Amino acid sequence: GAGVSQTPSNKVTEKGKYVELRCDPISGHTALYWYRQSLGQGPEFLIYFQGTGAADDSGLPNDRFFAVRPEGSVSTLKIQRTERGDSAVYLCASSRGLENTGELFFGEGSRLTVL
Amino acid sequence: GQSLEQPSEVTAVEGAIVQINCTYQTSGFYGLSWYQQHDGGAPTFLSYNGLDGLEETGRFSSFLSRSDSYGYLLLQELQMKDSASYFCAVLEGYNTDKLIFGTGTRLQVFP
Repeated sequence: GAGVSQTPSNKVTEKGKYVELRCDPISGHTALYWYRQSLGQGPEFLIYFQGTGAADDSGLPNDRFFAVRPEGSVSTLKIQRTERGDSAVYLCASSRGLENTGELFFGEGSRLTVL
Repeated sequence: GQSLEQPSEVTAVEGAIVQINCTYQTSGFYGLSWYQQHDGGAPTFLSYNGLDGLEETGRFSSFLSRSDSYGYLLLQELQMKDSASYFCAVLEGYNTDKLIFGTGTRLQVFP
């Protein structure tokens, strides 16, 4: 596809369950970013990948959150033992990387609701 | 700590001009970006200032003053479709597009 694709668009789960969110970046973009956005707030940085490696994971809130990008394209954000406070829209973005353009291309997000 | 301050809400009428300010305090600074986000939609890139001064892109302009840790987004000839949230975002370092976002300004345009 032409843009960043995220699945699922909506996910409702119960407290304590495990969740995976998938991101398919724009073809050829080497950098991939995960953000989390709560209602009325700006996107909050979680982690970014340059290629297959996590270049900066300083935004992950705790060890229940983990992300992978094994082949340098698709990425999966994994949340263990979900809590109600994890409810938010999880945004993925990609960029060509290493260009300092300030431009990220965002997907529509995955809305996670933890009951 | 890191902080980016923006007004929470701005209102204006069609055809008017509005300015959304952003002041920042971050551990690193390389440039300032602006994004637009409609309700339920993805943030979309508007502009980037890597140097001091004004950048113009159609009806939108963005300004940066590094010495004042301040920038603004100027929207001219407002249209109803400009009703959205606007975020400033700091590019913290070289060789990365990692952005730190502000809290956002909700713009409402009235007829």
